[in-house]
Amino acid sequence: AQSVTQLDSQVPVFEEAPVELRCNYSSSVSVYLFWYVQYPNQGLQLLLKYLSGSTLVKGINGFEAEFNKSQTSFHLRKPSVHISDTAEYFCAVWRQNSGNTPLVFGKGTRLSVIA
Amino acid sequence: NAGVMQNPRHLVRRRGQEARLRCSPMKGHSHVYWYRQLPEEGLKFMVYLQKENIIDESGMPKERFSAEFPKEGPSILRIQQVVRGDSAAYFCASSPPTQARTEAFFGQGTRLTVV
Repeated sequence: AQSVTQLDSQVPVFEEAPVELRCNYSSSVSVYLFWYVQYPNQGLQLLLKYLSGSTLVKGINGFEAEFNKSQTSFHLRKPSVHISDTAEYFCAVWRQNSGNTPLVFGKGTRLSVIA
Repeated sequence: NAGVMQNPRHLVRRRGQEARLRCSPMKGHSHVYWYRQLPEEGLKFMVYLQKENIIDESGMPKERFSAEFPKEGPSILRIQQVVRGDSAAYFCASSPPTQARTEAFFGQGTRLTVV
């Protein structure tokens, strides 16, 4: 079974500073990887996903993530954050080529951008 | 193409009552997933359904909870005899059939409060 570890539950950062949200996964098979964002009292919105190909994935709102197979990581980065980036961020994995498995989430990282 | 629709957005029930949460997947999506989110926790998988079939219910509590996805109409998550511990946000997601499954689309959630 796969699992997802988000190493930081809360990350405070000043506006216009860079940020990295860490995600590690464990799986014995190939997976698809996702980052979702949740704004207060909202549903989940897809930021970006890794399916195959280039290990550097660019998403919406200036975010990007890098898939590192040897370290089983998929860290999310943004070079300069805005107040509007304050939200909860979830990393998730999905087994490839498997019809009957659900998307598995980490516990989330709360990003707080400080003016 | 409307997104995943969940209703109601907010639901208040007294202890012992029944709660029925509805989810209409995106057009063309035959897979539905239900997740529960408790404060300060991530999204916990509950159940995975295809039309008229339960594929994986390993995350469902053994008692009081049930889910269905009929041939016609929305998917329903039913909680009987609710207790205070059932208070949470319940999210539904949908995806295309397996071979085209590279992303799950989430609804806005139903926030259940048990008083």
